[in-house]
Amino acid sequence: SQQGEEDPQALSIQEGENATMNCSYKTSINNLQWYRQNSGRGLVHLILIRSNEREKHSGRLRVTLDTSKKSSSLLITASRAADTASYFCATESNAGGTSYGKLTFGQGTILTVHP
Amino acid sequence: DAGITQSPRHKVTETGTPVTLRCHQTENHRYMYWYRQDPGHGLRLIHYSYGVKDTDKGEVSDGYSVSRSKTEDFLLTLESATSSQTSVYFCAIRITGATGELFFGEGSRLTVL
Repeated sequence: SQQGEEDPQALSIQEGENATMNCSYKTSINNLQWYRQNSGRGLVHLILIRSNEREKHSGRLRVTLDTSKKSSSLLITASRAADTASYFCATESNAGGTSYGKLTFGQGTILTVHP
Repeated sequence: DAGITQSPRHKVTETGTPVTLRCHQTENHRYMYWYRQDPGHGLRLIHYSYGVKDTDKGEVSDGYSVSRSKTEDFLLTLESATSSQTSVYFCAIRITGATGELFFGEGSRLTVL
């Protein structure tokens, strides 16, 4: 079963607007990560937040983590047409011993930013 | 791009034939992973490796085997391909000493007829 569930499945906005994507997970984690995937390409790492962190920023990205609710959100501010892509959350679980760095991915949110 | 190369990038094959996908890294990172991506399922882990000849199963390992005889190469084999294995396959590596992020190859699109 999927560790991460993302919401919404698809999001369509205008350039300049903010985009918020949410992710829920099931087990305790070492960290939660967000990735971006352009159509037909591999995934690219965006940002990592550790389990003991609550908020992290990177450029126009803001990630929050609520371990009590097992949820995270990714905010992209002042979106651009070039932000159009699929966004995935991924978790590294700390349940069951050594993780070996394995990540469990959500199903992703398809973001479309209209010029 | 962390020097990851996947081959072949595209392959069409018939049910019952063996298929091997190759993941090659130009650096000596310990951890390597094979994922498959299907609509509605996101990415699912097939197998992973934590060193030469050290491999283990992931979430969806049935029908797949892997080998890692050299640090730089991680091979994924479908012994007898089935139509349910039509997918896009991604190799990823974890950079040694980094915080935990993965770097992905560009993917191998496999179609089993």
